[in-house]
Order: sequence, then C-alpha cells, then structure tokens
Amino acid sequence: EPEVTQTPSHQVTQMGQEVILRCVPISNHLYFYWYRQILGQKVEFLVSFYNNEISEKSEIFDDQFSVERPDGSNFTLKIRSTKLEDSAMYFCASRLDRSGELFFGEGSRLTVL
Amino acid sequence: ILNVEQSPQSLHVQEGDSTNFTCSFPSSNFYALHWYRWETAKSPEALFVMTLNGDEKKKGRISATLNTKEGYSYLYIKGSQPEDSATYLCAFLFSGYALNFGKGTSLLVTP
Repeated sequence: EPEVTQTPSHQVTQMGQEVILRCVPISNHLYFYWYRQILGQKVEFLVSFYNNEISEKSEIFDDQFSVERPDGSNFTLKIRSTKLEDSAMYFCASRLDRSGELFFGEGSRLTVL
Repeated sequence: ILNVEQSPQSLHVQEGDSTNFTCSFPSSNFYALHWYRWETAKSPEALFVMTLNGDEKKKGRISATLNTKEGYSYLYIKGSQPEDSATYLCAFLFSGYALNFGKGTSLLVTP
C-alpha cells in the first residue's frame, strides 16, 4: 500500500542550526502538508502546498520556515535557525484531493538543544 | 484559527464497554470533518471523512455522526477491545486547505 515516508526519524540539533526534514508523499497526491506536535499539545497545522506553491500557512510558519518540492517527489521543510521551542514531532501528510483524507508519515522528531 | 474541542480528554474503559466521544467545531463555513485514529509510535490514520449534515458512517464497531448546524460530531465504539486503545483526533476543514485538529481523546481499554 502506498505510504508517506519521512526522514530522518529523529534529529538532534543545536539552537541556531539549520534543519531540513524530508518527506516523500504518495506519488499521485496533489496536496501536501506539514503539521507538528509539541509534546503534550495538539497537532498544529504549519503549511499546505498545492500546484508548486504554498496554498495556506499558519502564524507558526514564519520567515524561519520554508518548504519546497524540488524534484516532483520530495517535499521538504527547512527551519533556518532552530529555536528551543521548535522541538516537536513534525508530520508530513498528503492527499489526493482537497476533500479527501490525509495520509500521514510516521513523523520526524526534532530535538533542539 | 478556528478551535476544535474534543471531550473527554482521556477515557479508560473495560473490554466490552461501549463508549463515545465528542468533537465540537464552529458551525459556520463548514466544509468537512475528519476523524483519525492515532496509535502510539505510529502515524494518524483516517477513520471517517464526513461532509453532510446528518451523516452517519460506520467501520466495523466504530461509527460517527455529524451535526453541522449545531457544530458537533460523535464517535462511538461498540464493545471496546484493547486494540482500540489509541488517541482519536477530530479535524475540521472550514475552507481553504488546512485541517484544524482538536487535542484528541486518549482511550485506554483494559482487559
């Protein structure tokens, strides 16, 4: 069964460092998302991506964050200068159409020291 | 951000008990409501996508209802089993592209 894959599963970084989280969505899906969950809190929307551009973003997704889909398969989230409060589980998700269910990857745990 | 509220926050039932949880959401500009099941160390998996007022969907022992006019959805589990233990997430799509998630209801079913 097709699945969303994410790498790395866990990354530890120093505050101020750049981090890139990678995702391979399901191949025929058109809508791509990044969500995060800070420990003990709810799953929060970061950004959605459709037709090779950001379609929506939350207030969390500030200038430190960026996304791109460089080669038509990978979908990356970059955090330019990590802060302690960026420590969270980051989930990539994709779906075929706007009304359909989301398919999530298993998440990338980011720990910022 | 429009808030999605879920209750209870956690629930502990015995095997065989039936249970239900609530998801409340803003009733204006409704587009869709999703339920996801999230087991520890795994990724959330979709249970239901509901779009119409009065919708009722069923998957095995799990069912869900939707009232868009008053802004709530119920998830029911009949005859809970230990393998039903998970966090159940409700997510609301009112427009645009983003699903807004509630904090989830954590269910523990003990034998």
